[in-house]
Amino acid sequence: KAGVTQTPRYLIKTRGQQVTLSCSPISGHRSVSWYQQTPGQGLQFLFEYFSETQRNKGNFPGRFSGRQFSNSRSEMNVSTLELGDSALYLCASSWGAPPVLKNTEAFFGQGTRLTVV
Amino acid sequence: KNEVEQSPQNLTAQEGEFITINCSYSVGISALHWLQQHPGGGIVSLFMLSSGKKKHGRLIATINIQEKHSSLHITASHPRDSAVYICAVIPSPNSGGGADGLTFGKGTHLIIQP
Repeated sequence: KAGVTQTPRYLIKTRGQQVTLSCSPISGHRSVSWYQQTPGQGLQFLFEYFSETQRNKGNFPGRFSGRQFSNSRSEMNVSTLELGDSALYLCASSWGAPPVLKNTEAFFGQGTRLTVV
Repeated sequence: KNEVEQSPQNLTAQEGEFITINCSYSVGISALHWLQQHPGGGIVSLFMLSSGKKKHGRLIATINIQEKHSSLHITASHPRDSAVYICAVIPSPNSGGGADGLTFGKGTHLIIQP
């Protein structure tokens, strides 16, 4: 079966713009979580969704938002981009309820590499 | 605030050696997850632990809840084990964190030389 699919894989945006990233979980998975990875901060938890509801949220400003659709696909949006938002954005999905990483198995997408110039 | 420390940061070993990677944390937890990240960014889930020990192939993960410490062991290491290993800690609700406080270690960069 298909794995977790993130689109696009690479993206270049200008400061001040906004961006939307997409994550399609494995079929049947209802929990989706999002993470930001930078060389300086490493991996950081953004938020996670289950049944179209945000269940947990990390310590990021309100410019970072997300949503989940009825088919479990999720999107995250970053508004008013800053240079520091340049990062690899990863999503993960699991069959069980969140936290995604409290499930025995969690599956990650390949990530979207966002560069803000 | 949940502090997560991984050691060592970097480890180079010869093929066949026994490898140990450590993860220490500062708050009560409900679970700890070990992840493997290969060059290019792909992350693979290895183990979720809430107590005791788990084994899968040449990989063994243990956790000591009282000592707030987990270890990941690789037996008979192989060059394909070369990757970054990351622990993720999910605080328990009564530790003041909850799942919102999910915190990652900085990772251990492992290189296995043939």
